[in-house]
Formats: sequence, C-alpha cells, structure tokens
Amino acid sequence: DAKTTQPPSMDCAEGRAANLPCNHSTISGNEYVYWYRQIHSQGPQYIIHGLKNNETNEMASLIITEDRKSSTLILPHATLRDTAVYYCIVRPGANSKLTFGKGITLSVRP
Amino acid sequence: NAGVTQTPKFRILKIGQSMTLQCTQDMNHNYMYWYRQDPGMGLKLIYYSVGAGITDKGEVPNGYNVSRSTTEDFPLRLELAAPSQTSVYFCASSDRGQGETQYFGPGTRLLVL
Repeated sequence: DAKTTQPPSMDCAEGRAANLPCNHSTISGNEYVYWYRQIHSQGPQYIIHGLKNNETNEMASLIITEDRKSSTLILPHATLRDTAVYYCIVRPGANSKLTFGKGITLSVRP
Repeated sequence: NAGVTQTPKFRILKIGQSMTLQCTQDMNHNYMYWYRQDPGMGLKLIYYSVGAGITDKGEVPNGYNVSRSTTEDFPLRLELAAPSQTSVYFCASSDRGQGETQYFGPGTRLLVL
C-alpha cells in the first residue's frame, strides 16, 4: 500500500486559503487520493478524492502533481469551523481498506 | 436520511462487564465497518461486513465480536471489557468496497475502569 506523509500541524488565518500538503511518493497508477477530516470528537467526514486530474467541490479543491507523488488540499476561505484533523489517504483499490494515519491538525485562527 | 447512527454516546464499564455498541444506517449500504480511535491516534479497523450475514476481521479484532443479520444494523459486542478497550468507537458504511467513500457515525466513547 502506498503510504502518505503529512506534517503534524499547521495554522492559517480565518478567511485565508489553507493549503494542506501530502506526500505519497510510492503511489501506483490506479490508486486514488482521498481526503477526510475529523472535527474534534466527531466522526470523520469525507471531503474529496482524485486520481490524476485536479478536483473541486463545494468544500475544497484537490491539486495532484503531474507525477502523482504529492497532492495539496485547498480550503479556499478557511473558517474557524474548519479547525480539524485532515487525513490524506491513498486507496489501493475499491475493496481495500482505508488506512487512517495521524493526519495533519489544521488550526484556523481568528 | 439520518445517515449512520450510534448508541450509546458514552458508557462507563467495569472490567469484565460486557456490552453491545449499536450501529444503524439508513442508506441501504452493503458495507459497514467498526473502527476504534485511541487518543491522538488514527482510526484502526476492528471488523467489517460486506453484506448481511458476512463479516470479517480488521486489524484489531481481539476482544470483540460482530454480527450482521440485516443490511441496516451492525452491532459490536465486547464480551469481557478490559482497560485497553477504553477508546472512541466509530461505525461507518459505504455503498461498495472499503475504499469507497465511507460515511461515519458520531461515535461512542467507552471508558473501562
């Protein structure tokens, strides 16, 4: 399974873009990159996923480098409610388990 | 849709007691999962089910049992509670495989003393 590496924490100012990095240098061609987040004491929440192309939804944008060895989750206008742990997960296949590491703790400051 | 619901929200058990954590989903998902999350750590898969009547072990199944008699319900049983089982337990479901988007419940916080 491709492993992911995320810094332990970062912060950003409210209203600014939050760019959360993830390295997955051993990713293979058919593996998707998924992002989930977990707000304190709540269950994880799906954010977005992608394979090769950049993706955008109402929550965030996902930028995947051309060589697919890294990606960035972008929250365009971070709010205090976006303070959470964000997990970058590489999905080996439709029937493979999601492995949640420690993630990156994003703190949005007023 | 209520999504995934879990009961109870919080429970204190004495060592050696048993209990069942309840999980119900109303999305007609075939796949359901139980995870545990220890403080400051990621989630670890305990058991999962690919459909009614079919269950399989995850990475940390010892001390737990599950059953799946209906599509909607996936209870987790602790037979002899131990302090090491103090954790937050999350149930999740997905439409297809484990790697597909999973929808999580709010969690059950368990304290074993």
